[in-house]
Amino acid sequence: GAVVSQHPSRVICKSGTSVKIECRSLDFQATTMFWYRQFPKQSLMLMATSNEGSKATYEQGVEKDKFLINHASLTLSTLTVTSAHPEDSSFYICSASGGGAGELFFGEGSRLTVL
Amino acid sequence: AQSVTQPDIHITVSEGASLELRCNYSYGATPYLFWYVQSPGQGLQLLLKYFSGDTLVQGIKGFEAEFKRSQSSFNLRKPSVHWSDAAEYFCAVGAGNKLVFGAGTILRVKS
Repeated sequence: GAVVSQHPSRVICKSGTSVKIECRSLDFQATTMFWYRQFPKQSLMLMATSNEGSKATYEQGVEKDKFLINHASLTLSTLTVTSAHPEDSSFYICSASGGGAGELFFGEGSRLTVL
Repeated sequence: AQSVTQPDIHITVSEGASLELRCNYSYGATPYLFWYVQSPGQGLQLLLKYFSGDTLVQGIKGFEAEFKRSQSSFNLRKPSVHWSDAAEYFCAVGAGNKLVFGAGTILRVKS
């Protein structure tokens, strides 16, 4: 199947700093990418949908100024957590659409810990 | 609005026993349905999917699922569980290009 890669897989940062997470589709062009957040022992919550070359669409309750999403190419989307705080600590997972009708491929996830 | 219900938060089965994980969905149109598995600290791996056609879907690792429209269900089954199947399993319904996930079921396998 298609491959989606996330980097970094783990990141620890100090409160107030910004962290960038990359999501790449390695063997297909992803017209749409999705960013999810997963709290411990909970399901995945969709944060935003990004389409290549346009602004991301954020789900209700997600701060777009805090979670900056860029989808500058058909193979790369980035999520930047700005001015991170401990409550932003979470597991962030991206997925990409483009490998088949109605099918999404997920990255390995990135665990963010804010001290 | 679309929703997915996985009624069992935890399930424990003995190695070699059969497994069924329940999933019920709510969606106004013909659904795209998925089952994913997540190992601790890992991303999600697709086990199987239903788009149309045969309502019994075969997936990887010996899993299968049956779509029952009358019951709005898409239960995941495996005839004989292996210790390596211990993980968290998520059912999801495709709504356009988005996926709506259930809360997940944690599977424990006892030897």
